[in-house]
Amino acid sequence: GAVVSQHPSWVICKSGTSVKIECRSLDFQATTMFWYRQFPKQSLMLMATSNEGSKATYEQGVEKDKFLINHASLTLSTLTVTSAHPEDSSFYICSARQGAFEQYFGPGTRLTVT
Amino acid sequence: GENVEQHPSTLSVQEGDSAVIKCTYSDSASNYFPWYKQELGKRPQLIIDIRSNVGEKKDQRIAVTLNKTAKHFSLHITETQPEDSAVYFCAASSGGTSYGKLTFGQGTILTVHP
Repeated sequence: GAVVSQHPSWVICKSGTSVKIECRSLDFQATTMFWYRQFPKQSLMLMATSNEGSKATYEQGVEKDKFLINHASLTLSTLTVTSAHPEDSSFYICSARQGAFEQYFGPGTRLTVT
Repeated sequence: GENVEQHPSTLSVQEGDSAVIKCTYSDSASNYFPWYKQELGKRPQLIIDIRSNVGEKKDQRIAVTLNKTAKHFSLHITETQPEDSAVYFCAASSGGTSYGKLTFGQGTILTVHP
């Protein structure tokens, strides 16, 4: 149980374009999902908390108009990187919370902006 | 907000030895402390967790201890094996209105030499 999928696993896009990443909880419902960014050899940095049916809560320093989050159902959250630039290239990982505490992570999406 | 410090940043042991990784946290309201193992390019995997009402938890070769007074918790791996080599992250969650968001430590690169 507690399986989280993410799509796509990797994507290359041109500077100025937008990219959408999907995060799904496959065998449980998740009212809360989280989006992280991880640069090489660094820790996971929380970008935003996604709550089903309400607006996402963004961490300080994360541009909400650049990183659009939609949590339309109890099993799906999406992150759209708008007007992507090379500095947005990173490993984006989502997690879904099961129960009161445990978080299970998706396999991640490697974004490369050229 | 919460701040989690993790040490050491790298740890090298011989197969069969024990490995200990330590973390400190700043927010006394934190009540959930998971440990994740991440292999290169893969998702973080929950290996063990502990809640604030427990001082120690063990699962086969892995154990976690928590000292709420000192605000630190530790991961202990006994009888290490080469497949234990990975990056290990501690995290702390303050729960409540923050929807259980996790703050991660900086990570420890564990290398187990055969």
